[in-house]
Amino acid sequence: AQSVTQLDSQVPVFEEAPVELRCNYSSSVSVYLFWYVQYPNQGLQLLLKYLSGSTLVKGINGFEAEFNKSQTSFHLRKPSVHISDTAEYFCAVSPFKAAGNKLTFGGGTRVLVKP
Amino acid sequence: DADVTQTPRNRITKTGKRIMLECSQTKGHDRMYWYRQDPGLGLRLIYYSFDVKDINKGEISDGYSVSRQAQAKFSLSLESAIPNQTALYFCATSDLGREGRYEQYFGPGTRLTVT
Repeated sequence: AQSVTQLDSQVPVFEEAPVELRCNYSSSVSVYLFWYVQYPNQGLQLLLKYLSGSTLVKGINGFEAEFNKSQTSFHLRKPSVHISDTAEYFCAVSPFKAAGNKLTFGGGTRVLVKP
Repeated sequence: DADVTQTPRNRITKTGKRIMLECSQTKGHDRMYWYRQDPGLGLRLIYYSFDVKDINKGEISDGYSVSRQAQAKFSLSLESAIPNQTALYFCATSDLGREGRYEQYFGPGTRLTVT
């Protein structure tokens, strides 16, 4: 079984400041890793994913994440946030051989960007 | 038009009532999923389906049932709704066999309140 922990439930940040959202996971097997974003009153949208290769992954809207296998972490970063980045962010994992691409989600981190 | 649609978007119902939430997709994907989202818990998988003839329980299937009427349609039913089923429900799809296999596409969600 897998579990995902997002260490911060809420992150307030000023516009144009950097932000980091922390994600740690636990799994007895190798996993793929994902970050999803949920804007207010919308469904989830994929920000980025790590399947293999370079551990630094770039996604949409200027976000990037780094996979650290030894620390079982997949932290999300953005060097300069905008008001429009206000949303909830979810980290998720899926085992390499999971039937049905089953995802296990973390509890979410709510980012509030202040002017 | 949205690729994954859910109806209704909002529903308030009383304890003991039967409720059906519907999901339709135009992406042509084989796999469909139902999740519920609760604050602080992220998304948890209720049921998933590989194709019309294959339905599987997720981690929290008790109190729910599903029907895959066609490749494009996947319905979630609450036979006798109870207040702790108040949540935001998401349908998702994914494709089998291509790079997109590793990405799930989410509908806009249905907010269900059981009084």
